[in-house]
Amino acid sequence: NAGVMQNPRHLVRRRGQEARLRCSPMKGHSHVYWYRQLPEEGLKFMVYLQKENIIDESGMPKERFSAEFPKEGPSILRIQQVVRGDSAAYFCASSPMQGSNQPQHFGDGTRLSIL
Amino acid sequence: AQTVTQSQPEMSVQEAETVTLSCTYDTSESDYYLFWYKQPPSRQMILVIRQEAYKQQNATENRFSVNFQKAAKSFSLKISDSQLGDAAMYFCAFQFGKGGSEKLVFGKGTKLTVNP
Repeated sequence: NAGVMQNPRHLVRRRGQEARLRCSPMKGHSHVYWYRQLPEEGLKFMVYLQKENIIDESGMPKERFSAEFPKEGPSILRIQQVVRGDSAAYFCASSPMQGSNQPQHFGDGTRLSIL
Repeated sequence: AQTVTQSQPEMSVQEAETVTLSCTYDTSESDYYLFWYKQPPSRQMILVIRQEAYKQQNATENRFSVNFQKAAKSFSLKISDSQLGDAAMYFCAFQFGKGGSEKLVFGKGTKLTVNP
């Protein structure tokens, strides 16, 4: 049973480019969470999605960042016009349905580097 | 807003000895979960142990146990018989128990070094 799959593992972009990070949840999981980890920091919540719905985006920056979890395919975290401060590790986690009393399972993260 | 505080940026322990990592949190909720996650240099986030706030009994997973003091809002992790493979960053995390967003709120972490 495959775990949470994130790709790419490493992503390098130049300032002003777009970054797309992908996350496939564990089989049977319908909830996806995105977290960002800046150097020497803990993980900070960004957004919580179900299939075709954003449940909580209170941690998402107001501009340049967006997330989706379509009916088919992986969840995508999209960062437009990247800046140096976007350099971080981005983690995806998944869980079964809401209130399922199951812990979140994390992917290995995508390390985004901005040149 | 909920906050999680880990007051020890770094800790070290001798192999085979016991070490305790501290965590305090702030919430007005009564129903919640607490977690300890381990992040080795590979950067994976590995769940170490989980505690439901409604349970008075402290959770235990092999060499890992917690001291959950609900009134004091304290949730420390004890690692017994420390092994070299325990060296990692350890993050304490809080999660609401019911309804709404089930996001995790993390502390800043404690870097654990295990000396041979």
